[in-house]
Amino acid sequence: AQKITQTQPGMFVQEKEAVTLDCTYDTSDPSYGLFWYKQPSSGEMIFLIYQGSYDQQNATEGRYSLNFQKARKSANLVISASQLGDSAMYFCAMKEDAGGTSYGKLTFGQGTILTVHP
Amino acid sequence: GAGVSQSPSNKVTEKGKDVELRCDPISGHTALYWYRQSLGQGLEFLIYFQGNSAPDKSGLPSDRFSAERTGGSVSTLTIQRTQQEDSAVYLCASSLWAGLNTEAFFGQGTRLTVV
Repeated sequence: AQKITQTQPGMFVQEKEAVTLDCTYDTSDPSYGLFWYKQPSSGEMIFLIYQGSYDQQNATEGRYSLNFQKARKSANLVISASQLGDSAMYFCAMKEDAGGTSYGKLTFGQGTILTVHP
Repeated sequence: GAGVSQSPSNKVTEKGKDVELRCDPISGHTALYWYRQSLGQGLEFLIYFQGNSAPDKSGLPSDRFSAERTGGSVSTLTIQRTQQEDSAVYLCASSLWAGLNTEAFFGQGTRLTVV
C-alpha cells in the first residue's frame, strides 16, 4: 500500500492566487513527521515545511501553510499569493518514528507538478 | 562547501560496467541517505547511514548496489554490472541527525544514463 498519496499529477494556478496541493498518508505509527519539498526544473530538492503528528497547530512558513487533518490523514500544502517561481514539482514525504528507533528515512509521494500562469 | 555535494553531475556508462557515485554531506551531519528518482517519479529510498551504526540497506534493489561511508563523512554508491533500468537521478541527502523533525538537505544529484 502506498504510504504517501498525491492524487494530483498536475495543477495550474493564476499568479497571485492561492493553490492547495493534496497529500494523504497511511501509517499506524502514532509518532510521525510530514514534510513538503519543492523540486524546480534544476533538480534540487528544497525543504518547505514540516508538521509533526503531535503538533496542535498547523505549520506555516511564509507563504506556505500546511492544512493538517490528522483524523483524515491528510497534510495538504497551501501556497498563498502564487508566484511564477513557484512553478515546480512538489513532493509530500513522511518519516515514521518506528517505536523510537527512527532512522529518519523519508517516504515520498509521486509528486504534483505546479504551473503558475502569469 | 556549504551544501551537499555530489559528483559527477552526469554519468553515461555502458551496460555491464561498474559506476561509483560520490556524496559529500554537509559538515557535521551524522545522517546520510541515498535516494533514486526515475524520470517523472518520486524518490525511492536506497540506503541510510547514521553515525557509526550499521547502515539501513533495506531499499537497495539488488546485490549489484552497495554503498559505504568512510570516516562518517563521504559516501560512495557503487552499482556493479549496470543495467538500463538503473538509469535515473541518484540523490544524496544529509541531516544533522536522524530525528523525526530534522530536515534533510539534498544534493543536486547524479544523472546516470546506462546505454
